[in-house]
Amino acid sequence: DAKTTQPPSMDCAEGRAANLPCNHSTISGNEYVYWYRQIHSQGPQYIIHGLKNNETNEMASLIITEDRKSSTLILPHATLRDTAVYYCIVRVPMNYGGATNKLIFGTGTLLAVQP
Amino acid sequence: EAGVTQFPSHSVIEKGQTVTLRCDPISGHDNLYWYRRVMGKEIKFLLHFVKESKQDESGMPNNRFLAERTGGTYSTLKVQPAELEDSGVYFCASSQDWDRTDTQYFGPGTRLTVL
Repeated sequence: DAKTTQPPSMDCAEGRAANLPCNHSTISGNEYVYWYRQIHSQGPQYIIHGLKNNETNEMASLIITEDRKSSTLILPHATLRDTAVYYCIVRVPMNYGGATNKLIFGTGTLLAVQP
Repeated sequence: EAGVTQFPSHSVIEKGQTVTLRCDPISGHDNLYWYRRVMGKEIKFLLHFVKESKQDESGMPNNRFLAERTGGTYSTLKVQPAELEDSGVYFCASSQDWDRTDTQYFGPGTRLTVL
């Protein structure tokens, strides 16, 4: 079972920031937070990941609370092409002592960007 | 750099027939993963190769599924004999062994329909 909780759906106006929350209240100290998205009929796409510090790349920013029990993915200027299901996943990679590298996908958040 | 490729993109077969799906990972990626999404369900992990060795096959549903990765390059997933419940989208992903946080990059998937 997924170890994260996400709202099933969200709307965002085109050009505005999309803030997608994720709750991972049982996260352990060495678990990373990963975000992937799946645009309709395509394979999942990696977005960003982090451990405890906030992270930013060309796609998005990841804000992790100090207690690490929740995080927010921020798409700074959402476009219609950002409409997708967004998945928040926590796990310990095998290189950091995890038993497996598998990603456990939950139901995610369907983000609908409106024109 | 080419991404993960999968072949075929679609396959329609009769129950009881055999189907072989192929995945070509990103060049140089030692880790290769298979996932699938069956109708109405979440994306589920099937197995993980490190080079030609099966690291984790805990998600393989039954012995009708056989995955191989001879030579540690491309992988095949054979379903024999196919059943109706095998219908779904099969995704392949790959990652670099030196990437300690194991960012997985997914292919576009193969949509399998068993009639």
